[in-house]
Amino acid sequence: EPEVTQTPSHQVTQMGQEVILRCVPISNHLYFYWYRQILGQKVEFLVSFYNNEISEKSEIFDDQFSVERPDGSNFTLKIRSTKLEDSAMYFCASRPGGGYEQYFGPGTRLTVT
Amino acid sequence: AQSVTQPDIHITVSEGASLELRCNYSYGATPYLFWYVQSPGQGLQLLLKYFSGDTLVQGIKGFEAEFKRSQSSFNLRKPSVHWSDAAEYFCAVDLNNDMRFGAGTRLTVKP
Repeated sequence: EPEVTQTPSHQVTQMGQEVILRCVPISNHLYFYWYRQILGQKVEFLVSFYNNEISEKSEIFDDQFSVERPDGSNFTLKIRSTKLEDSAMYFCASRPGGGYEQYFGPGTRLTVT
Repeated sequence: AQSVTQPDIHITVSEGASLELRCNYSYGATPYLFWYVQSPGQGLQLLLKYFSGDTLVQGIKGFEAEFKRSQSSFNLRKPSVHWSDAAEYFCAVDLNNDMRFGAGTRLTVKP
């Protein structure tokens, strides 16, 4: 069964550094998402992406964040200058064009020191 | 304001007992409704979903949920809990391609 994959599984970075989290959505899906879960808290929506542009973003998704689908298979989340409070689990999800269910990847744990 | 509420932060049940986890939503229209389970350090696994039709939906691992429009609720149930069900459970709603999660309910199962 096709799955959403994410790399790396765990990323440690220093405050102020740029990080890129990578996701490979399911191949025929058209909608792509990033979510964040700070340890012990709920899953929060960051951004949705469709037709090569952002369709929705939350108040969390400020100018430090950007998303890209560089090559038709990968979907990336970039944090330009990480802060301690960016430490969280980041989940990627994708959805087919005609469906309503989002398929989640296993997550990338980002630790900012 | 649109919101998803899981009133119970933590529930403890004995193995073999029945379980009900509550979820309420506040949206102008009926959203699509989901329950996810998350084991420690793991990702989100979809248990079940409701889009339309029969208001009682069956999911994996013996879970079911009932949509009640009049109460804006989508409670998750299981008749007999197993120790392996101990996890965090999240209710989620999706309206117009905008998915929001509840705060989660942590389930502890006593032997």
